[in-house]
This record gives sequence, structure tokens and C-alpha cells, in this order.
Amino acid sequence: DVVLTQTPVSLSVTLGDQASISCRSSQSLEYSDGYTYLEWYLQKPGQSPQLLIYEVSNRFSGVPDRFIGSGSGTDFTLKISRVEPEDLGVYYCFQATHDPWTFGGGTKLELK
Amino acid sequence: QVQLQQSGAELVKPGTSVKLSCKASGYTFTSNHMNWIKQTTGQGLEWIGIINPGSGGTSYNVKFKGKATLTVDKSSSTAFMQLSSLTPEDSAVYYCAKGIAYWGQGTLVTVSS
Repeated sequence: DVVLTQTPVSLSVTLGDQASISCRSSQSLEYSDGYTYLEWYLQKPGQSPQLLIYEVSNRFSGVPDRFIGSGSGTDFTLKISRVEPEDLGVYYCFQATHDPWTFGGGTKLELK
Repeated sequence: QVQLQQSGAELVKPGTSVKLSCKASGYTFTSNHMNWIKQTTGQGLEWIGIINPGSGGTSYNVKFKGKATLTVDKSSSTAFMQLSSLTPEDSAVYYCAKGIAYWGQGTLVTVSS
């Protein structure tokens, strides 16, 4: 199975700071069709995960432009340019390139 | 708007089965695959499998073959997941998700005698 390793496991920030989360894959996530099926989710306390970014860098409907996804191959990054209170929670990367699809272990974003 | 309404929490005994439901609304049910995902504190998020509501075709994570069975009822726009031979390790929150984008609210399953 593809292993997605997220770092850091937890991240303490001040509101307005930039935050950066890394997701490294044990295999390249570029599919044979040329697309890279790497997504990012945020799970707020008591809620279901919500999609933020799909195919590495595409913001899902309604997601603010302070969320920026980048990367290729095996290395991916989610940046939040100016953290706001509603951004707190656990972030997960997810790959749908290789069967079985797998999730990273999560990064908890919290206030300092 | 897209909504996925999942069935309520279950407390079930080891060795039994349970069938969870996920009622879809706000879109054409047969036009998008439905995924099922397991979440536990210890193992995190795990993808269980996917079903094509139009054809009924399924694909499972090998880890969940024999454990989970995915079906749909097109007449009611509802997806189902049956979990069999339950053990305490099956205790988790289970989510359905339309494609990768829209998730239900989750169903808590507790396996305990």
C-alpha cells in the first residue's frame, strides 16, 4: 500500500501566520492518465472531513484562496497563507492514484 | 445542495452483522461513485471501497474484503454497507462520500458484548 507521511504531526500557530504541511508518498502519485490524484482535507472537531484541494493544487468550491496546494511525484505541500480561527483542526492528505486509496496520518493545526 | 444522510449510531454484539445506510439527495444518485471510509483513533482514516450506483459494480480495499459489502437501492437513492462477523476492532465511525468531495455525517458503530 502507498504510505503517506505527513509532517509535522502537530503545528502551533498564531492567527495570521502562515502554516505549511508536508505530505510525502512512498510512490509517485502520477497516474497513467497524467493526473496526480492527491487531495487535502480538513476535519474540524466533531465534523466530517471536508475537501479543500483536489489533484494537488485545485481548490474545491468555496475554499478560500489562502489555501494553496503544490507538489509533484512524491512530495506535496499545503500552505495556509494567513491562518484564521476556522482553519483549526486536523489536515489529511489522501491519494487516489494507487489501489488501495490511502490517507496520511494527519496534522493537527492549533493555536499557540 | 448535495446531502448524504447516514443512519444512526449502532451498538452491536461481537459476531453479528450490521447494515449502515447513506441516503443521497441533491444530485443524480447514479452519476457519481460512492466511497466508504472508516475512522478510528488508532488507525486514522481507511478507505474501505467504492460502488458505482449505476451498475452496482464494486471495488474493495483488500483489507476489507469479506468484512464489508457495498450495495445500493437506486429507487431510494440509498447506499448501504454491511459489516459482518463484527469484532471490537470494527468499532469506528464510518463515512459515506460522494466521489471524494461530499461526506456524510458519519455513523458510529460500537461492537461490545
